[in-house]
Amino acid sequence: ETGVTQTPRHLVMGMTNKKSLKCEQHLGHNAMYWYKQSAKKPLELMFVYNFKEQTENNSVPSRFSPECPNSSHLFLHLHTLQPEDSALYLCASGEGSYNEQFFGPGTRLTVL
Amino acid sequence: SQQGEEDPQALSIQEGENATMNCSYKTSINNLQWYRQNSGRGLVHLILIRSNEREKHSGRLRVTLDTSKKSSSLLITASRAADTASYFCASNTGGFKTIFGAGTRLFVKA
Repeated sequence: ETGVTQTPRHLVMGMTNKKSLKCEQHLGHNAMYWYKQSAKKPLELMFVYNFKEQTENNSVPSRFSPECPNSSHLFLHLHTLQPEDSALYLCASGEGSYNEQFFGPGTRLTVL
Repeated sequence: SQQGEEDPQALSIQEGENATMNCSYKTSINNLQWYRQNSGRGLVHLILIRSNEREKHSGRLRVTLDTSKKSSSLLITASRAADTASYFCASNTGGFKTIFGAGTRLFVKA
């Protein structure tokens, strides 16, 4: 248990659906991250928030929309996804920049 | 091209043997981190080595960093079946950007 929780753990959605992934951290960190992990590819950084402000957007398609209402919660809103978006989506938190990150268990997303 | 690339891609050893994994990166770093991931789960941070450090130990783990060669290695001594996992290096190039390699899959046979 790392202190970072993600819900749901598994999600199957059609290409026309709208769904949201949720991440919550109980570690008092100020930075939160979304990563995408596809089979046989390195972990891809998607977004970073620091004190609720977005500091990184790694050229992510607009069908992924992040939201960070406070330093403890992070959402990823999904709409009109493609089958190639199927992956494990990992949330992480960290204390400031440069430091180690603490990961949640991930949401396994399947887009049909 | 990837900032962090691990070598080998896969490694199979017997319990009790040492496992060595290597990582290369391309640009200057602030620090380099190693993580472990059990199948389909989140990553767990193992060790962080700063750019001005050359070697670091944590339990059965030993990490080295050679900034002149832009490479790092992770050594796991006296491996156990429970060490079976994927291991990733991640280079922090500044700020909040940490770039992960593709990982080394380690299998330790009991």
